[in-house]
Amino acid sequence: ETGVTQTPRHLVMGMTNKKSLKCEQHLGHNAMYWYKQSAKKPLELMFVYSLEERVENNSVPSRFSPECPNSSHLFLHLHTLQPEDSALYLCASSTLAGGGSYEQYFGPGTRLTVT
Amino acid sequence: TQLLEQSPQFLSIQEGENLTVYCNSSSVFSSLQWYRQEPGEGPVLLVTVVTGGEVKKLKRLTFQFGDARKDSSLHITAAQPGDTGLYLCAGAKAAGNKLTFGGGTRVLVKP
Repeated sequence: ETGVTQTPRHLVMGMTNKKSLKCEQHLGHNAMYWYKQSAKKPLELMFVYSLEERVENNSVPSRFSPECPNSSHLFLHLHTLQPEDSALYLCASSTLAGGGSYEQYFGPGTRLTVT
Repeated sequence: TQLLEQSPQFLSIQEGENLTVYCNSSSVFSSLQWYRQEPGEGPVLLVTVVTGGEVKKLKRLTFQFGDARKDSSLHITAAQPGDTGLYLCAGAKAAGNKLTFGGGTRVLVKP
C-alpha cells in the first residue's frame, strides 16, 4: 500500500466508448502524474500536474484528457481510443520539494485493453 | 535514444546467487531512484541516492551512485524468489520534478 489508489484496476473498452480512470493520493503531495507503460518500452510520462495546474503534456493525443480537481485527485478521461492505447496506466504523486530528490509514489495501475 | 540505459534487460538466476543491475547515462542527475515492480502492480520505491559516490544498503540490496552522478548499480546478495520483479532506475534533474526512467531489468530468481 503506497498511499496512491487507482480505479478501476482493469478496464476493457471499445474504440467508441468513453471512460475515465481515477487516481487518489493520501500522502499530502501536491504534484500528480500520469504514465503509460507498454510492453518492452520504458515508462512514458504523459501529464504532470503541479498544485492542480497542468505543467506538462508530453505530446499526448487529444483522445486522452486529464483533469485534476484538487491536489488529492487525478482523472484521465478516455474517448475514441485505438488498440495501440492498450497498456498499463500508472498514476504517481510527489511533493514539490527542492533539492532534486523528487521521489514519486505510484498507484497499482489500471490495465486498459482497447478492443 | 534512452537517456538512461539499464543492463542487462533480463536476468535469470538460482536462489542464493548474487546479481548486479546497471543503470548508465551520459547525463548528470541530481538524484537517482530505484524501483521494483511486480506483475500487475505499480513500481515501488526502494531507494534514492543523491550524493556522488554514495552507497546505500537495504538488507541484501546495495545501491551505489557513481562519483560523477551519471550511473548507478544495484547489487543483490543471496537472491531469493521474492526478489523477482522488474527493477527500474529513474533519474531527476536539478530543475523541475520530472523523472527519466530506464527501460528496466527483469529479474527472475528460481527456487
